[in-house]
Amino acid sequence: AQKVTQAQTEISVVEKEDVTLDCVYETRDTTYYLFWYKQPPSGELVFLIRRNSFDEQNEISGRYSWNFQKSTSSFNFTITASQVVDSAVYFCALSEAYNNDMRFGAGTRLTVKP
Amino acid sequence: GAVVSQHPSRVICKSGTSVKIECRSLDFQATTMFWYRQFPKKSLMLMATSNEGSKATYEQGVEKDKFLINHASLTLSTLTVTSAHPEDSSFYICSASRASGSLQETQYFGPGTRLLVL
Repeated sequence: AQKVTQAQTEISVVEKEDVTLDCVYETRDTTYYLFWYKQPPSGELVFLIRRNSFDEQNEISGRYSWNFQKSTSSFNFTITASQVVDSAVYFCALSEAYNNDMRFGAGTRLTVKP
Repeated sequence: GAVVSQHPSRVICKSGTSVKIECRSLDFQATTMFWYRQFPKKSLMLMATSNEGSKATYEQGVEKDKFLINHASLTLSTLTVTSAHPEDSSFYICSASRASGSLQETQYFGPGTRLLVL
């Protein structure tokens, strides 16, 4: 069964700092998908990215970037020049290709202070 | 993009009553829908997976008779919390995907329903 570990429970940074959220996963499948979601206080999950296991290219979207390394089973998420609006809980998740179950990590609560 | 709605967004009920939560895919046909539960400051835990027209598959530890799931159409799944008790108070989130049995499709999440049982 798949497993996702987000070791950082809470992170607090000051605005404009860069911050990296770690995600380590376990799976026996060779084909799988990795996700990051943002959950603001309202509770609604905001989809950030989906990456399949065959695509190890790093991705950048504005201030967000993701580093996928199969060798270390990690899919880390970096926010550059953080802003107060980035404050939320961030979840990493994994889903195996032929199994629609999505397993979430415990989440990392990010607080960005002005 | 794919939109999933949930109704109600928030519900308060008395202990012993039953509560129904609806999950709808608004612009696509969802062959598979998922129900998650999230306790305060905790992660999302998958409760059950339902495929349209068939019985839901429950995760270990989830009471089938307590959490009734119906997926009667390709756009609607319902979760009924029967004889609710205060410990059932939680944030319930549904998601929907197009695929069933084939390569995994993205799950689209609803906005969640906050249940408070007094």
